[in-house]
Order: sequence, then structure tokens, then C-alpha cells
Amino acid sequence: GAVVSQHPSRVICKSGTSVKIECRSLDFQATTMFWYRQFPKKSLMLMATSNEGSKATYEQGVEKDKFLINHASLTLSTLTVTSAHPEDSSFYICSATSGWNTGELFFGEGSRLTVL
Amino acid sequence: SQQGEEDPQALSIQEGENATMNCSYKTSINNLQWYRQNSGRGLVHLILIRSNEREKHSGRLRVTLDTSKKSSSLLITASRAADTASYFCATASTGANSKLTFGKGITLSVRP
Repeated sequence: GAVVSQHPSRVICKSGTSVKIECRSLDFQATTMFWYRQFPKKSLMLMATSNEGSKATYEQGVEKDKFLINHASLTLSTLTVTSAHPEDSSFYICSATSGWNTGELFFGEGSRLTVL
Repeated sequence: SQQGEEDPQALSIQEGENATMNCSYKTSINNLQWYRQNSGRGLVHLILIRSNEREKHSGRLRVTLDTSKKSSSLLITASRAADTASYFCATASTGANSKLTFGKGITLSVRP
């Protein structure tokens, strides 16, 4: 099956620093990648949809200047949490699809961000 | 807003028993999917059922879809301790630029 690699799996940073999370599709070309945020024992909240070579589409209430998304190639999308604060601590998960029609999504293993 | 709503929120059963989880949604869908998530991990796709399908099987999994009631059920037969996880339904709405919307999830505990 298709594999999506997400890195780092855990990161701890100081308040005010920026953190970059990478999401890679290892064995397929991901035309679209999605970034989710998940709070403990809660559902996944879609943050943004990332299309290769174009600007990401952010969901309502998600600050685009706070959560920078870059989808520079068909196999890599990055999420940068800028000037992180403790309230940004969360589990961030990316997913990828190879087609535009919404079929099966392939998920990364998630990144646990802790901001001190 | 949340599209899928799973029921129950938590389910505890004995190994060998069947587990039934339900999902209701509000708008028209293209397909409905079920995912599994082990604690602290990413999601794994289990099964997809299209809006024109009523039932689908995959191993010990059986999914039904009733578009008139806007509901779906996931049945895991002969449960195992390793089935312990959170299960999410996700709906793909109709129309262009469709995206998946996830429910809040069901926590399934299978006691050995």
C-alpha cells in the first residue's frame, strides 16, 4: 500500500521558535496533501489542503501566517508552525491522495508538538 | 462543523464478541470511509463504501450504508485484543473539491 512518511514524530521546542514538519509520499505522487490537527481524544480538524505548486487552501479559523504550508513537489509538503506558543501544542497529522476525487487517504504517523 | 457523528463514543467488549459502531451524517455524500487509529499514531484506512453501495465486506469487517437514513455501521466480527483502537468514520461530500470530514471517533476496548 501507499506509504506516507511524516517527520519528526515528536518535537519539543521553546515558545517563540518555529518548527517545521515534513510529510512525504514515498511510493506515489501526491497531488493533494491535507494537514490535520488533533486534540487529545478528539477528532481530526482539517487545517488546510495543499496542492503541489499552488498556495494552500486554509480552513476557516486557521491562521495562514501562523501555519505555513509549502507543497514544493509531488512527494513533499511541509507545515511550519511559526512563533510557536504552548497553545499550539498538539498532534499534527498529514495525509495524501494521488487523485482529486476523494478516495482513500494515506496518513502519516503524526507529529507530536510540545511547546514549552 | 462535524459531519460524521459516531455512536457509541466508547465501547468495551470481550474478545471474541462482535463490535458494532454507528455513524450518522447530515449532508449528501460521495462516499463514506472508516479509519482506525491506535493511540498516538496516524490513521489507517479500513474500508470505503460508495453512496450507491449498501454493504461491503473486508475480512472481519462489514460496513453498511443507508443513504435514506444518512447512517453507516461498522461491524467487527470475532474481535481480538489487537482491535483495541479508536475508529473514525469520514464522509466525502458530493461536488468538486470534496474533502473528508471526520467524526469524533469511537474508542473500542477489547478485553482479552
